[in-house]
Amino acid sequence: EAQVTQNPRYLITVTGKKLTVTCSQNMNHEYMSWYRQDPGLGLRQIYYSMNVEVTDKGDVPEGYKVSRKEKRNFPLILESPSPNQTSLYFCASSPAEGLYNEQFFGPGTRLTVL
Amino acid sequence: GEDVEQSLFLSVREGDSSVINCTYTDSSSTYLYWYKQEPGAGLQLLTYIFSNMDMKQDQRLTVLLNKKDKHLSLRIADTQTGDSAIYFCAESNNNDMRFGAGTRLTVKP
Repeated sequence: EAQVTQNPRYLITVTGKKLTVTCSQNMNHEYMSWYRQDPGLGLRQIYYSMNVEVTDKGDVPEGYKVSRKEKRNFPLILESPSPNQTSLYFCASSPAEGLYNEQFFGPGTRLTVL
Repeated sequence: GEDVEQSLFLSVREGDSSVINCTYTDSSSTYLYWYKQEPGAGLQLLTYIFSNMDMKQDQRLTVLLNKKDKHLSLRIADTQTGDSAIYFCAESNNNDMRFGAGTRLTVKP
């Protein structure tokens, strides 16, 4: 089954404790991205990757890092989480940049930073 | 920056039609989308329309696009309780994609 998986689905942590949210897709997609969803703001793109070892900032990259060492994985790293990063995070993938009509979303990771 | 706006809430009775509206500002949009998000789930692409089209119909869903006014709407005919969800409007050009804040549709029996 074609899918995007994220782990963990739920996480409660404390300020400053480094964490990683994993994202994996099994569709051999080149393009992957991370979004955060906040009430009243919709989805905002954090980072995206057009292919292995190619990443770039989205609209709200501050406080986040990503890596793309393999095509299937695109982890989101919070080196020093802060309460304003409490949000619902979605990973997404598509065959290539611009093919948003073929974009798949993961189930989401709800992060709470105390 | 470019914006996508939609009302936050809509409540309808089961069996009625629902119309969710969206406006956007990017005149270079190439595609416009409607996504559905059910509780605890990710976003599911419902339908999309190319910017040179006026209308697209898919079973109970009708998308209308007024490119001059930059207005997009999603009509759900014979709305069912299973249609209760958050509906996101989105637009893309060749470079990126922008989402609205989402409209929470509540269907009352």
